[in-house]
Amino acid sequence: EVQLVESGGGLVQPGRSLRLSCVASGFTFDDFGMHWVRQPPGKGLEWVSGISWNSDKRGYADSVKGRFTISRDLAKNSLYLEMNSLRADDTALYFCAKGLGGTIENFFDYWGLGALVIVSS
Amino acid sequence: EIVLTQSPATLSLSPGERATLSCRASQSVSNYVAWYQQKPGQAPRLLIFDASKRATGVPTRFSGSGSGTDFTLIISSLEPEDFAVYYCQQRSNWPNTFGQGTKLEIK
Repeated sequence: EVQLVESGGGLVQPGRSLRLSCVASGFTFDDFGMHWVRQPPGKGLEWVSGISWNSDKRGYADSVKGRFTISRDLAKNSLYLEMNSLRADDTALYFCAKGLGGTIENFFDYWGLGALVIVSS
Repeated sequence: EIVLTQSPATLSLSPGERATLSCRASQSVSNYVAWYQQKPGQAPRLLIFDASKRATGVPTRFSGSGSGTDFTLIISSLEPEDFAVYYCQQRSNWPNTFGQGTKLEIK
């Protein structure tokens, strides 16, 4: 059974940093692209960032480019999102999602339950 | 960036009725469209990918169609558990983008 479990969310002040983690199980982690998708409270979905199966390609939404960094650790079956210079509009539930394939242009067939990030003073 | 516009924003129907949800892209995305269902407090669930392929375990009452700029999700006969928010997503052009969602509510 595929499982994605996020952690690292919380309340953080504007301008500060936070690191999200996602531990994957139930599939061959090395074979698939992985992604972060966020959802502000009461709003729709926004793709944030993706990383290819071999970490060769990484992509970011314009809204987070230069502030967020995605990475993965194959030995730990883990995906990360380093978030710097956080702003109030980064407040959202952050989902870890598995790509259908290995690239970063993809659909998402499994999702975690999400990690809530609240940016507020 | 490709903009996906979903209509209607809200659809009010009764169990047993047929639901038709639309997704229009600002430029052609070939058939690279997916549909997701999201219930309150849950993660999205992939229903349809590549415009018309059902994901694993998705009931046959869900079907997708379309290509180019216009796409449709049809639920042939609504079950009580189908009332939720539905999102379309494209992966044709960078970056991946989602539509704003259609809320399917019980009439």
